[in-house]
Amino acid sequence: DIQLTQSPSSLSASVGDRVTITCRPSQNINSYLNWYQQKPGKPPMLLINAASSLQSGVPSRFSGSGSGTDFTLTISSLQPEDFATYYCQQSYDPPLTFGGGTKVDIK
Amino acid sequence: VQVVESGGGVVQPGRPLRLSCAVSGFTFSRYAMHWVRQAPGKGLEWVAVMSYDGRNKYYADSVKGRFTISGDNSRSVVYLEMNSLRDEDTAVYYCARDLTPDGGDYGDAFDVWGQGTMVTVSS
Repeated sequence: DIQLTQSPSSLSASVGDRVTITCRPSQNINSYLNWYQQKPGKPPMLLINAASSLQSGVPSRFSGSGSGTDFTLTISSLQPEDFATYYCQQSYDPPLTFGGGTKVDIK
Repeated sequence: VQVVESGGGVVQPGRPLRLSCAVSGFTFSRYAMHWVRQAPGKGLEWVAVMSYDGRNKYYADSVKGRFTISGDNSRSVVYLEMNSLRDEDTAVYYCARDLTPDGGDYGDAFDVWGQGTMVTVSS
């Protein structure tokens, strides 16, 4: 099974900060990497698929990059509504797997 | 476009339970459907997928041999039959649609999610 290691597991940031979250698969997954945002008590929301393709309606301050074994989710200027937990997920090979999550909270 | 889960509840260890996910607003037979779960205070865990044509099904190692995913095209419903339930199966179970219509064997990303149904395994 492909393991996804997300880092950091949590971070504190201020509104306007640039935030970067990393996801490292245990093997090469090309660009089969997706990112989700989840707020407490809500289902996750797909932000980015195929490593860098922004979903319709997702603000452009979110971006994804990377391929192979090193991926990044970047929020260019953190907004109040961005405080949430973020997960990466691989769709290269079943069983599909998620990273452990990164909780972004207010500094 | 929506998916709505039902069937959760409290069940004793070793007992079965069946979850349902009713979809609307899109053509059920064109999309792979997934189940994803989240234990209280924990992260997301993918559980199972059924391909858009129903021919291919894949499971997480933790549920393989105990859970079965199936679908009813005539009713646009996907099911998760759970047997031999364990304490560690306690979680919110989400149904999710795959991003890509007429996609591959095991899907891709999950773009439409339900609100989830809680399953508690406890004696």
